[in-house]
Amino acid sequence: QSVLTQPPSASGTPGQGVTISCTGSSSNIGSNTANWYQQLPGTAPKLLIYSNNQRPSGVPDRFSGSKSGTSASLAISGLQSDDEADYYCAAWDARLNAVLFGGGTKLTVL
Amino acid sequence: QVQLQESGPGLVKPSGTLSLTCAVSGASISSSNWWNWVRQPPGKGLEWIGEIFHTGSTNYNPSLKSRVTISVDKSKNQFSLNLSSVTAADTAVYFCARRWDTWGQGTLVTVSS
Repeated sequence: QSVLTQPPSASGTPGQGVTISCTGSSSNIGSNTANWYQQLPGTAPKLLIYSNNQRPSGVPDRFSGSKSGTSASLAISGLQSDDEADYYCAAWDARLNAVLFGGGTKLTVL
Repeated sequence: QVQLQESGPGLVKPSGTLSLTCAVSGASISSSNWWNWVRQPPGKGLEWIGEIFHTGSTNYNPSLKSRVTISVDKSKNQFSLNLSSVTAADTAVYFCARRWDTWGQGTLVTVSS
């Protein structure tokens, strides 16, 4: 069981918005930044959001991140069929001296 | 453009040692970055294995620490993973990555006799 907790699934229809949560603790998200990855089937994870809310070059502004206390969130607006993928949060844990990943959320675009 | 490429045997026998190398291009492994190994069992989520800094400093997943060694070869601009005493549970796609932004394509390692 992951120390960073994500809902196993999320869904939405094209054009809608969806939010995925990632709940941690004071030793990880509470004191370090959160990052988000998108993984399409059969491919390596791709960085979507770093430092809680920063987008790497090339990531559409439909993707946004936020953090409050010991939780982080990934919001996707204007859902597209191409957004159907697994999404993972990640953060450094200062107590474990380890990188933590959430269990992943499978996003389905209905 | 930074690129990472994993290489190593795709099949390892139970109780043996899994050894992989990650070649880094487009960046110096001596830069201020942590170089990571992450794995993903078939149909499951991502599991962090560990990381190394060019100075040789390492951090390991506590659950794997007794079996993992990560090393760096600055002359070849690459870093390596050794995972000992493997079982079928270690079958996974193994990714190398630069924390947090760049990943290799991954390589499937199967543990089987």
